[in-house]
Amino acid sequence: KQEVTQIPAALSVPEGENLVLNCSFTDSAIYNLQWFRQDPGKGLTSLLLIQSSQREQTSGRLNASLDKSSGRSTLYIAASQPGDSATYLCAVRRDNAGNMLTFGGGTRLMVKP
Amino acid sequence: EPEVTQTPSHQVTQMGQEVILRCVPISNHLYFYWYRQILGQKVEFLVSFYNNEISEKSEIFDDRFSVERPDGSNFTLKIRSTKLEDSAMYFCASTNRWSADTQYFGPGTRLTVL
Repeated sequence: KQEVTQIPAALSVPEGENLVLNCSFTDSAIYNLQWFRQDPGKGLTSLLLIQSSQREQTSGRLNASLDKSSGRSTLYIAASQPGDSATYLCAVRRDNAGNMLTFGGGTRLMVKP
Repeated sequence: EPEVTQTPSHQVTQMGQEVILRCVPISNHLYFYWYRQILGQKVEFLVSFYNNEISEKSEIFDDRFSVERPDGSNFTLKIRSTKLEDSAMYFCASTNRWSADTQYFGPGTRLTVL
C-alpha cells in the first residue's frame, strides 16, 4: 500500500527566505505527482503536476523536482511571501491503480512579514 | 478560468439521516472523483466515476455511499444512514484525461453529523 509522508509537518520562516518542502512515497511505481496548496477551511489548489518521466516542473517562484527511484519529491519556494502561508500537500497517482490520488499529510507553512 | 463548484458549503444533519452533496465539474471533463478530509487528517480517496459508472472505490465507500451523474453537469454523492464519523470535508474533483492530467478540486462541502 502506498504511503506518502511530508516533512516537516510545520514550518515558519521570515519573508524573503527560500525554502524546501519534502515529500516521500513508499512505492516508486507512480504515474505522476501533484503538489497542492490548501488554505484554512478551503479547497485544494493545484500548483504543479510532474509526470513520472519528468525530473522537474516550474511555475513562477515554485519549482518541484521528482526522484522517482528514491521515492522523493521536493517543492522549492523562492523568495517566500506572507501570501504563501498555507498548507502544502503532495499526492501521487500509482501505475495500474486507477487514477486515485494518495495524499501526504501536508506541511503547514507560515511566512512571517 | 473554469472551476469545480460544490454545494452546499456546509451541511449539518442528524445521525441516521440521508444527505446529498452536489458538485458541478469542469464542463469538458470526463472523470470525476470524491475525496474526504476528516479534520486534522489526510485527504482520502472515496470513489472515481467515468462513463456513468464507478471506476474505482476505496474501502471507505461502503454501501451507504452512492454517486450519480443525474444530468450533463451535476455529479452527486449520497450518504444514507449518516454516522458521526462521516463528519468531514468532502471534495469533488475532475480531470479530462485518464491518469495523465491534473485533478482539479472544488472548494469542498463541510458535513457535520450530530
